[in-house]
Amino acid sequence: NAGVTQTPKFRILKIGQSMTLQCAQDMNHNYMYWYRQDPGMGLKLIYYSVGAGITDKGEVPNGYNVSRSTTEDFPLRLELAAPSQTSVYFCASSYLRPNSNQPQHFGDGTRLSIL
Amino acid sequence: TQLLEQSPQFLSIQEGENLTVYCNSSSVFSSLQWYRQEPGEGPVLLVTVVTGGEVKKLKRLTFQFGDARKDSSLHITAAQPGDTGLYLCAVSALTLNSGGSNYKLTFGKGTLLTVNP
Repeated sequence: NAGVTQTPKFRILKIGQSMTLQCAQDMNHNYMYWYRQDPGMGLKLIYYSVGAGITDKGEVPNGYNVSRSTTEDFPLRLELAAPSQTSVYFCASSYLRPNSNQPQHFGDGTRLSIL
Repeated sequence: TQLLEQSPQFLSIQEGENLTVYCNSSSVFSSLQWYRQEPGEGPVLLVTVVTGGEVKKLKRLTFQFGDARKDSSLHITAAQPGDTGLYLCAVSALTLNSGGSNYKLTFGKGTLLTVNP
């Protein structure tokens, strides 16, 4: 059971570079989420998707883009990396919407440093 | 303003001790979730509490939802090094954005627990 798989696990970028963080889930979940986690700041929602072809902004979307062409995949794109985007990024998925008391299943994270 | 306030922020104890961590808010919620995040991994759901005054037990962990459904506590009995991790509470809250209104899971900042052998 793979669950939520994130790649890469670690990455160092230079300022201004771009990259895509990959996220895939094999649980046929409709809802997918991207969070960033900074020390002492908890998890902040970047973008989310309620199904293939539908995405929307979360709390901290600036500097990021997402797409959801399939149910399984939800990549997160950084176009012009900035030091403020140094963080640990978590992808999550859930079968039902957040107010359904269903758990969100998280990947193991991508640790991104921008120098 | 933080929707959920967790305390303490850090807690370091010896193996065998008991501890309680708290998750407080001024808002009322229909349910509240507790997650544990071990180093280098993503959060994992421990429990969901839905009824005011509800108490749920998970081995040595006891979760309580406040009568007014504004707060929750997690009590660990005889802590073990394997309990080390970041304990996060989370609630589903209705938020408004350009796409309309939607429920989002909002997390507290967490309590970082270290249990020393």
